[in-house]
Amino acid sequence: AQSVTQLDSQVPVFEEAPVELRCNYSSSVSVYLFWYVQYPNQGLQLLLKYLSGSTLVKGINGFEAEFNKSQTSFHLRKPSVHISDTAEYFCAVSEGGSYIPTFGRGTSLIVHP
Amino acid sequence: GAVVSQHPSWVICKSGTSVKIECRSLDFQATTMFWYRQFPKQSLMLMATSNEGSKATYEQGVEKDKFLINHASLTLSTLTVTSAHPEDSSFYICSALSNRQETQYFGPGTRLLVL
Repeated sequence: AQSVTQLDSQVPVFEEAPVELRCNYSSSVSVYLFWYVQYPNQGLQLLLKYLSGSTLVKGINGFEAEFNKSQTSFHLRKPSVHISDTAEYFCAVSEGGSYIPTFGRGTSLIVHP
Repeated sequence: GAVVSQHPSWVICKSGTSVKIECRSLDFQATTMFWYRQFPKQSLMLMATSNEGSKATYEQGVEKDKFLINHASLTLSTLTVTSAHPEDSSFYICSALSNRQETQYFGPGTRLLVL
């Protein structure tokens, strides 16, 4: 069975600074990888996903993530954050062929002015 | 893009009453929908998988008689919390699986408060 580790529970950063939210997974088979964002009192919104192909995935709101199979990682990055990026970010992984992802515990991104 | 709606967005009820939450996929058909529960500052906990026209599959520890799930059409799944108690207060989120894209799309969530 797969598992997901989000190494940082909280990441504070200043506006316009770059940010990286880390995600590692464990699985013995091929995987699909996802990043979701949750704003306060809202559901989850898909930021980006990796199913196959190019390991660098670009998503909405200027975010991107890179699938690194050897390091079993799928870190999320943004070169310059905005106050509006303050939210909870969830990494999720599902094993190829399964539509039910396992979610990480979430990373709270806090952008300060 | 794929849109999933939930209704109501929040509900307050008395202990012992039942509450129904609707989840709709607005611009795509979803054979499979999921129901999650989220506690404050925590990740999502999968409660059950709902398949159109068949019985839901519940995760271990989730009472199927308490959380009734119906998936009568390809665009609608409902979760009914029966005889609600204060410990059922939580944020309930549904998602719908877009088979063509192998991705779950989430609803905005329903916040339930049982007094």
